[in-house]
Amino acid sequence: NFMLAQPHSVSESPGRTVTISCTRSSGDIGSNNVQWYQQRPGSAPTTVIYEDNERPSGVPDRFSGSIDSSSNSASLTISGLKTEDEADYYCQSYDSSNRWVFGGGTKLTVL
Amino acid sequence: EEQLVESGGGLVKPGGSLRLSCAASGFTFSTHSMNWVRQAPGRGLEWVSSISAGSTYVYSADSVKGRFTISRDNAKNSLFLQMNSLRVEDTAVYYCVRRSRAVLGTTVLEYWHFDLWGRGTLVTVSS
Repeated sequence: NFMLAQPHSVSESPGRTVTISCTRSSGDIGSNNVQWYQQRPGSAPTTVIYEDNERPSGVPDRFSGSIDSSSNSASLTISGLKTEDEADYYCQSYDSSNRWVFGGGTKLTVL
Repeated sequence: EEQLVESGGGLVKPGGSLRLSCAASGFTFSTHSMNWVRQAPGRGLEWVSSISAGSTYVYSADSVKGRFTISRDNAKNSLFLQMNSLRVEDTAVYYCVRRSRAVLGTTVLEYWHFDLWGRGTLVTVSS
């Protein structure tokens, strides 16, 4: 089993770029793809990135995902920040026993 | 419109049982693997259990193994979660969640992300 570690919170100004990291505790980050979900207060999560760097239709190209083997981590980058991007963001992967693993979540504040 | 609607949540005492239901509509339920994901108040997401389209494969988190049972009725487009021996730490909003899949010709691809969530049902375990 492995865990996914995320920063508890990040903040940035509108129009700027922010990156949220997701570090895998053991095993290669590239061995199982990573997804990212956005959860606004009082709502269910929605997918913003799947398979490391793919965007579902309807998600703006301001959202991008990447993998860094050297740090064994995945990253979600949001450029041109808007106040509507303020939300909790969760990374997610899976293990060899067909179990889904979520990171602890990162609260993004756009101020 | 594709939709998942959970029901069956409520207040239950520690050691008690509860059965959650999820009604699916707007898509072919019988072709999708389904999951339950929970979120304790003010906390993050935790995957609970999954079931394949034909109920052949079932997986559960260690935290609920032996206490929770996932099942489905494809004829009624419904997903269930039977929760027994409930603990205070099981208090959470429980989401019914669809696993993403795609069909390319005759090949079915199951992705490792969730593409449809219900609004959730709150389960509170307290004496």
